[in-house]
Amino acid sequence: EAGVVQSPRYKIIEKKQPVAFWCNPISGHNTLYWYRQNLGQGPELLIRYENEEAVDDSQLPKDRFSAERLKGVDSTLKIQPAELGDSAVYLCASSLASGTREQYFGPGTRLTVT
Amino acid sequence: AQTVTQSQPEMSVQEAETVTLSCTYDTSENNYYLFWYKQPPSRQMILVIRQEAYKQQNATENRFSVNFQKAAKSFSLKISDSQLGDTAMYFCAFNRPYRGNTPLVFGKGTRLSVIA
Repeated sequence: EAGVVQSPRYKIIEKKQPVAFWCNPISGHNTLYWYRQNLGQGPELLIRYENEEAVDDSQLPKDRFSAERLKGVDSTLKIQPAELGDSAVYLCASSLASGTREQYFGPGTRLTVT
Repeated sequence: AQTVTQSQPEMSVQEAETVTLSCTYDTSENNYYLFWYKQPPSRQMILVIRQEAYKQQNATENRFSVNFQKAAKSFSLKISDSQLGDTAMYFCAFNRPYRGNTPLVFGKGTRLSVIA
């Protein structure tokens, strides 16, 4: 079974530029999470999807961040414009809606804003 | 709100020895899960072990075991026979799956180095 796939693995951009991250969850997982992990910290939730619906986006900086999950499968997280403080690792995770609801993580995208 | 605290930013252990990583948490919930995740330099977050709060028996996975003290809100990880491949960041995390797919709340992590 394929795991959670994320791309790109690394991205370096100048401030004020746009950037997008892509995530493909494990097949059949209806819940998808985007976490941000700052250097030396644990991950923190940005947004959670149940199928196509964003059910928890209270921590998403909506002035510059946006996300979508078309057809309840793949998801894209966008930042426009990027700021220096956005440099971090962006992790995607997915889980089933029942059972232990264990979250499976992708390898993350390391963003560096210069 | 739930919080998770890991008071040891860095630890080291000799290969084949035993090491214990500490974690405390704060919640008003009675039913929840606690986790230890391993994050090697590759950044892939890997589940090491899970403990369900209603279970009194401490979880064990091969060389990894936990000491879960519910009243004290303590959840430590013991790694026995440490191996070089255990070198990684270790995160303690909390979640309330009985309330649906809630996000994980992580501690700040402990960097473990296993020395040959």
